[in-house]
Amino acid sequence: DTEVTQTPKHLVMGMTNKKSLKCEQHMGHRAMYWYKQKAKKPPELMFVYSYEKLSINESVPSRFSPECPNSSLLNLHLHALQPEDSALYLCASSQGTDYQPQHFGDGTRLSIL
Amino acid sequence: AQSVAQPEDQVNVAEGNPLTVKCTYSVSGNPYLFWYVQYPNRGLQFLLKYITGDNLVKGSYGFEAEFNKSQTSFHLKKPSALVSDSALYFCAVSKGSGNTGKLIFGQGTTLQVKP
Repeated sequence: DTEVTQTPKHLVMGMTNKKSLKCEQHMGHRAMYWYKQKAKKPPELMFVYSYEKLSINESVPSRFSPECPNSSLLNLHLHALQPEDSALYLCASSQGTDYQPQHFGDGTRLSIL
Repeated sequence: AQSVAQPEDQVNVAEGNPLTVKCTYSVSGNPYLFWYVQYPNRGLQFLLKYITGDNLVKGSYGFEAEFNKSQTSFHLKKPSALVSDSALYFCAVSKGSGNTGKLIFGQGTTLQVKP
């Protein structure tokens, strides 16, 4: 069982839809991350929140909008996505230092029609 | 620039035999190195890390890794492979950006353990 919970597990949406991905952790971690992963490839970092503030945005298109309502929750709001955005979206959390591991959820598999 | 290389896309090994998954790194300063495993339809699971100290690091599920500073390598090993070890393995180095723990991943190695 993973300690980072992501919902939904699967999501199919049209290019004009608006949807949100949710992530929750109760490990007291102060850093939370969003990654995009294509099949058989390493995760690509999208956003990092540290102490509920956005600290890294890896030049992600504005159709992806992150939100960190509190220290346990992380959302990713989706709007007007493209077919190439179909991927596994992973959330992770950590203590936020360079030497502590990240803990990953099982992801949301997103398909854009 | 910091980078991680996993030179093998796939490693095949027979069950019961030892396995090695290779990783080399390029970092400035002291590296913080990690191994993760990803099973189908799952997220990444942390296996082990090297921060400092003993060059042989032991981790979950019987895995271990050897840090070699002169060869800038951090190979993952297991004395006796199980079919259930078949998965995608990622080596990663911490980018050392201070207080965010940003990771640089290798391209991944698929481990196939045959009965």
